[in-house]
This record gives sequence, structure tokens and C-alpha cells, in this order.
Amino acid sequence: GQNIDQPTEMTATEGAIVQINCTYQTSGFNGLFWYQQHAGEAPTFLSYNVLDGLEEKGRFSSFLSRSKGYSYLLLKELQMKDSASYLCAVMDSNYQLIWGAGTKLIIKP
Amino acid sequence: GAVVSQHPSRVICKSGTSVKIECRSLDFQATTMFWYRQFPKQSLMLMATSNEGSKATYEQGVEKDKFLINHASLTLSTLTVTSAHPEDSSFYICSARDSGDTEAFFGQGTRLTVV
Repeated sequence: GQNIDQPTEMTATEGAIVQINCTYQTSGFNGLFWYQQHAGEAPTFLSYNVLDGLEEKGRFSSFLSRSKGYSYLLLKELQMKDSASYLCAVMDSNYQLIWGAGTKLIIKP
Repeated sequence: GAVVSQHPSRVICKSGTSVKIECRSLDFQATTMFWYRQFPKQSLMLMATSNEGSKATYEQGVEKDKFLINHASLTLSTLTVTSAHPEDSSFYICSARDSGDTEAFFGQGTRLTVV
């Protein structure tokens, strides 16, 4: 079956760095997405990786290793507004998104 | 990025009534539309996928006669929750994708409460 695993919850300190991991097993691979979702709101797009390596976008970076079925989202210089759920999603061979359960990130002052 | 407008953002309805949720792509063609529901503290669950002009494909366990999806144009899709019951209370989110793109853009979501 298809499976996306990510930690349920993480806690970090304002100004610090946090890495949210995602491992996946899917039927085919057409890219991996990271979304941010604040409570009661729809997800917003953060990043898309289809090739191995690191993609940097401001304070957020996303890494992909297709051979390991692994990705991480790296958040630097954490701000209180970064408190949210972070969803990992993989696009399978049918171009359908398979969603992880999300990682709730709690930022403490 | 592209904009998807979902309406209404919140709706409260009585049990047994029907509710229609609209999803519009404002600056691109929504060739494919996805409808999700999300219960508190859970991830998105795909309900159905629709392509413009075709019947929607429903995921296993989703009643097509209860959740009516219409995707009659390249910019508009609607989800109608018929004979709503309290257990249908949830957060419903649409996302739209053009045929040449991999990224899908989300609407703002609709919080449905059935009383």
C-alpha cells in the first residue's frame, strides 16, 4: 500500500532551527510537496521537489532523496507565526496526491 | 500563484437540508478539481476527483449520491452535501489543477456545521 510517515508533533524554540522528516512508500513518484496549514485554514504551498537535493527558499528549505524515499523540511530562524501543521504529500504515478497526517509544530518563546 | 476562491467559508445548516459549496479558479483553467474533507487534527482525505465535463471519480467509502459534484466549466466546480447530518460536519477543501501543471492550488476551505 501507499504510506507517508511524519512525526505527529514537534516543539522548537523561537529563533532556532527545526527539521521535519517525511518518509514515503508510494506506487510511483512524480514529486513531493510540503504544505503549511494553520488551524482552521486551508493548506498553503511551501515547496516542491522532484529531483534529489536541497531546494532553498528563504527561511525554508526542502530536501529529497528518492532512493531512500525520504524528505525533510528545514525551517530556520523560527518565528512564532511558524506554529502550524506541516503536511508532506507525494504525487504518485497517477498524479494523485498521497498525504501524510501532518506534523504539528509548536514554537515556544 | 494561482488563486482558487471557495465559498462559503463557513456554513451552519439544519440536519436534513442540503448545502452547496462552490470552488472557482480565478486566473487559470481548473482542468482537474479535487475535493477533500478534513476532520479535526487529521490530514486531508480525498473524497473525489473531477475533470471538467466528466463525471467525478469518488474514493472508496464516499457516497456519490450524498456528495454531488458538478464540474461543468473550466473555472467552476461545486460540491453539494445532500440531506446533511451532524456527522457530515467537517472542513471541506477544494483544490484545482491545470492539465499542464503538477501543483494544485487550494481554496480557502469551508467549515460546515450541521445542527
